[in-house]
Amino acid sequence: EVQVVESGGGLVQPGESLRLSCAASGFSFSNYAMNWVRQAPGEGLEWVSSISDTGGRTYYADSVKGRFTMSRDNSKNTLYLQLKSLRADDTAVYYCAKGATIGVGSPFDYWGQGTLVTVSS
Amino acid sequence: SSELTQPPSMSVSPGQTASVTCSGDKLENYYVSWYQQKPGQSPVLVIYEDTKRPSGIPERFSGSNSGNTALLTISGTQAMDEADYYCQAWDSRSVVFGGGTKVTVL
Repeated sequence: EVQVVESGGGLVQPGESLRLSCAASGFSFSNYAMNWVRQAPGEGLEWVSSISDTGGRTYYADSVKGRFTMSRDNSKNTLYLQLKSLRADDTAVYYCAKGATIGVGSPFDYWGQGTLVTVSS
Repeated sequence: SSELTQPPSMSVSPGQTASVTCSGDKLENYYVSWYQQKPGQSPVLVIYEDTKRPSGIPERFSGSNSGNTALLTISGTQAMDEADYYCQAWDSRSVVFGGGTKVTVL
């Protein structure tokens, strides 16, 4: 069974940092692109970033470029999102989503349950 | 396609057809996916590559994409289909989501 499980969310103050993790199982992790999507309370889905199967290519939304860094460790079947210089408008549930194929830009066929990041003083 | 526009909400009677639109410049040049999200749950992929249904998605869900508009159609809508629906496309550098459409079955 394919599973992606996020962790690492929590309450942080503006300007602080946080690292989210996504543990993958049930599929050959190194053969798929992976993605992060967030959803602010009561709002729609917002794409955050995507990473290629090898980790050699990463893509970011303009709203997080320069502050967030996505990476993966294929030996540990784990995806990461480093969040820096956090702002109140980064408050959201962060979802890890598996790409349907090896290619970045493929549909997101499995989603985790999400981890909540709250940025507040 | 840098922006995808969806109507915020729509309602449909049980058994009728619901059509959710997603508009974007020259959208037909991009593959569109659709996601269903019920309250308190994670999104679920219901249509990909404009018209394809993942395994386990009922046949009443279908999709199309032509010109500047992609369409998600739910035929014979059931109460369990009440949810938010989001369209999505990839434009070679970024992923774009539509704002979402709340489909109410009443």
